[in-house]
Amino acid sequence: GQNIDQPTEMTATEGAIVQINCTYQTSGFNGLFWYQQHAGEAPTFLSYNVLDGLEEKGRFSSFLSRSKGYSYLLLKELQMKDSASYLCAVPGSGGYQKVTFGTGTKLQVIP
Amino acid sequence: DSGVTQTPKHLITATGQRVTLRCSPRSGDLSVYWYQQSLDQGLQFLIQYYNGEERAKGNILERFSAQQFPDLHSELNLSSLELGDSALYFCASSVQDSNNYGYTFGSGTRLTVV
Repeated sequence: GQNIDQPTEMTATEGAIVQINCTYQTSGFNGLFWYQQHAGEAPTFLSYNVLDGLEEKGRFSSFLSRSKGYSYLLLKELQMKDSASYLCAVPGSGGYQKVTFGTGTKLQVIP
Repeated sequence: DSGVTQTPKHLITATGQRVTLRCSPRSGDLSVYWYQQSLDQGLQFLIQYYNGEERAKGNILERFSAQQFPDLHSELNLSSLELGDSALYFCASSVQDSNNYGYTFGSGTRLTVV
């Protein structure tokens, strides 16, 4: 099965940088997803990592270390609208079907 | 608009009742997934259908059932409802062999059992 661990909550200041960590255990690695979810809304896709290293997409970057079972999401130049939950997720052993989501990290951006 | 349509958006019903949630996947997507998200909890996988067939089952209660129809829309049936079934129910879809883009989620159905 899959197991995912993320911090429950984080607070950061507008304009700053924040790193949200995720550790996972899974049988048969098939990549790792990050999703953003505003309260009461649907999750939206942010990134997918399957190889080790850092992938940058504008203000958001995602890092993966398969040997350590570790990923992080880096958010730069924080904006108030970045206040949301950030979900780390891993697909099941059969592929990206049956993706298992972590409970998410609730990020609060303060002025 | 993500392309995944869920109806209704809100549903309030009494304990013991039965409800049906509906999902139309994004055009071209053959897989439909149902997730439950209770207050302050993570997304819990319920069930997956691919092209009309059940492919994977998660922690879905026996009181819950689902199906996917030939036009690929899916319905999640919840019966003998309990207060604890109050949650956001999300449907997501994907192309079977998609990669790098994960799921596309619908906006969800908020179910309140009173």
